[in-house]
Amino acid sequence: GQNIDQPTEMTATEGAIVQINCTYQTSGFNGLFWYQQHAGEAPTFLSYNVLDGLEEKGRFSSFLSRSKGYSYLLLKELQMKDSASYLCAVMRAGGATNKLIFGTGTLLAVQP
Amino acid sequence: DTGVSQNPRHKITKRGQNVTFRCDPISEHNRLYWYRQTLGQGPEFLTYFQNEAQLEKSRLLSDRFSAERPKGSFSTLEIQRTEQGDSAMYLCASSSPTRGTSYEQYFGPGTRLTVT
Repeated sequence: GQNIDQPTEMTATEGAIVQINCTYQTSGFNGLFWYQQHAGEAPTFLSYNVLDGLEEKGRFSSFLSRSKGYSYLLLKELQMKDSASYLCAVMRAGGATNKLIFGTGTLLAVQP
Repeated sequence: DTGVSQNPRHKITKRGQNVTFRCDPISEHNRLYWYRQTLGQGPEFLTYFQNEAQLEKSRLLSDRFSAERPKGSFSTLEIQRTEQGDSAMYLCASSSPTRGTSYEQYFGPGTRLTVT
């Protein structure tokens, strides 16, 4: 089976740094994704980690520890437009599907 | 490259009616996925096509649901005898092992279904 946990909601201040954690248990692992989803819109890709370590992309960084089943998304220099839901998703290994198993998402509110 | 498109964007139907949604993936993407998302939840996998072959269906996909991708390009998702529990956002995503991050799935804007 699979289980993905992330906080339901977080609040942060404009200009600050926020870390959104994700823990997972899955019977197979082929990488972890972070997506951003604004209300009523499609999820948009932020990052992909398949090896342990930190991947940095502009204001966003993502970290993975496969042995701990743990990832986090780090957002720096927060802007009001970063208010959105952040979805952690695991890609299951095995077979040809490469389907994503999503967490429930973390709703981030950035305040002035 | 216009991205993944879905039609219609919104659909309101009465319980018991049939509905059909369409997804046009990014051109040349051979992999196409359907997901369903309800309020406050992450997307849940429904089914997967590689070219025209439907290779996996979730247990969430009851026999009232059917999906096709007849020519390996656009796909349709049909729900027969809709129920109120079918109300959700239906998302389509496509990917290609040769473009961008090899496993990245590009999502369409979704079709929001409301069953009254």
